Amino acid sequence: KAGVTQTPRYLIKTRGQQVTLSCSPISGHRSVSWYQQTPGQGLQFLFEYFSETQRNKGNFPGRFSGRQFSNSRSEMNVSTLELGDSALYLCASSTLDAYNSPLHFGNGTRLTVT
Amino acid sequence: GDSVTQMEGPVTLSEEAFLTINCTYTATGYPSLFWYVQYPGEGLQLLLKATKADDKGSNKGFEATYRKETTSFHLEKGSVQVSDSAVYFCALSKVGWDNDMRFGAGTRLTVKP
Repeated sequence: KAGVTQTPRYLIKTRGQQVTLSCSPISGHRSVSWYQQTPGQGLQFLFEYFSETQRNKGNFPGRFSGRQFSNSRSEMNVSTLELGDSALYLCASSTLDAYNSPLHFGNGTRLTVT
Repeated sequence: GDSVTQMEGPVTLSEEAFLTINCTYTATGYPSLFWYVQYPGEGLQLLLKATKADDKGSNKGFEATYRKETTSFHLEKGSVQVSDSAVYFCALSKVGWDNDMRFGAGTRLTVKP
């Protein structure tokens, strides 16, 4: 069974630009969540989608948004990029929710904002 | 709010040494507790979990026991190998949180031959 696939692996963008990251979950997984990982803040929850609906959202500004498609694939978008948005963005999928079923993480997209 | 605190690293051990990585949590209610591991250039992988007090999670020689009285979930391994070198994250999740897991800061482990 293929794992969680994130594309692209690396991105370099300029301040003020916007970026879209993609995530394909494990087949059969309907929940997709996104995390931001930085050396200073560690792992922080961005949002989670289940069957195309956002179920939960972390404490991030509105510049961070996401969506999920009918095939469970998900995208996240960051608009008006800031230097502080440089991070590893991790996508995770599961069958239901983290309390009941394990999260399966992709290898991440490393975003560098210059 | 609910949070996880784990011992700061980095931790450097010789092969076959005993490993302990401390993790304590603050949470209302009854969270599930997890240990995840991240190898270089990869995402996180679930190592083990425990869903209620006194449960012991175990996998690949690693163990952790859910201690409600001390709000702890320390990770242990009796004999580490070079291949165990990675970053280890303690985490918690609660019913109704969906996939909003609270992670500790991570502890980098390096095992030398």
